[in-house]
Amino acid sequence: AQKITQTQPGMFVQEKEAVTLDCTYDTSDQSYGLFWYKQPSSGEMIFLIYQGSYDEQNATEGRYSLNFQKARKSANLVISASQLGDSAMYFCAMREPYSGAGSYQLTFGKGTKLSVIP
Amino acid sequence: ETGVTQTPRHLVMGMTNKKSLKCEQHLGHNAMYWYKQSAKKPLELMFVYSLEERVENNSVPSRFSPECPNSSHLFLHLHTLQPEDSALYLCASSEVPGMTNYGYTFGSGTRLTVV
Repeated sequence: AQKITQTQPGMFVQEKEAVTLDCTYDTSDQSYGLFWYKQPSSGEMIFLIYQGSYDEQNATEGRYSLNFQKARKSANLVISASQLGDSAMYFCAMREPYSGAGSYQLTFGKGTKLSVIP
Repeated sequence: ETGVTQTPRHLVMGMTNKKSLKCEQHLGHNAMYWYKQSAKKPLELMFVYSLEERVENNSVPSRFSPECPNSSHLFLHLHTLQPEDSALYLCASSEVPGMTNYGYTFGSGTRLTVV
């Protein structure tokens, strides 16, 4: 069974500073995908970044980067130059290997609430 | 209209009421999902539909009844709910992995309050 652990219920960061949100995962599968989603107070889950288990380079998307350490089973999200609009819940998720049934499951962590301070 | 649209955004219902949540996607995705998000708990997968057939039902109480009439629409019919069913209900869709690596596309959710 897959499991995602986010140990930081809440984080504070000064505007324009960088912040790292932690995520560790547990799986016996060799092929998997790791995601980070942002959920503002409006409720919508917004995709931020993806890392495949076989990707050798860390994923980057604008101000977001994923620090992927496969041996440690960690996939931390780094947000550079924080902005006030980054205040939200952040969820780490893992995708199981595709079974061919046309769908697949994402397993989510409990999330980290990030607050950006002016 | 693009993306995943959920209606209504907010719903207050009594325990004896019957209501339905609606989800619509125009992304050409072939799988749709219902998730429940309660305070301080991880997202819980409720139902999965692939090509309009239910492929997953994670021990959800029968007072929740899903319906997927076509690949673009997904409903969650609610009846005789309990106060602990109050939560944010999120709909998501996906296409076959390998086409993109973007996981699910989510709707904005329906915030349900059972009184």
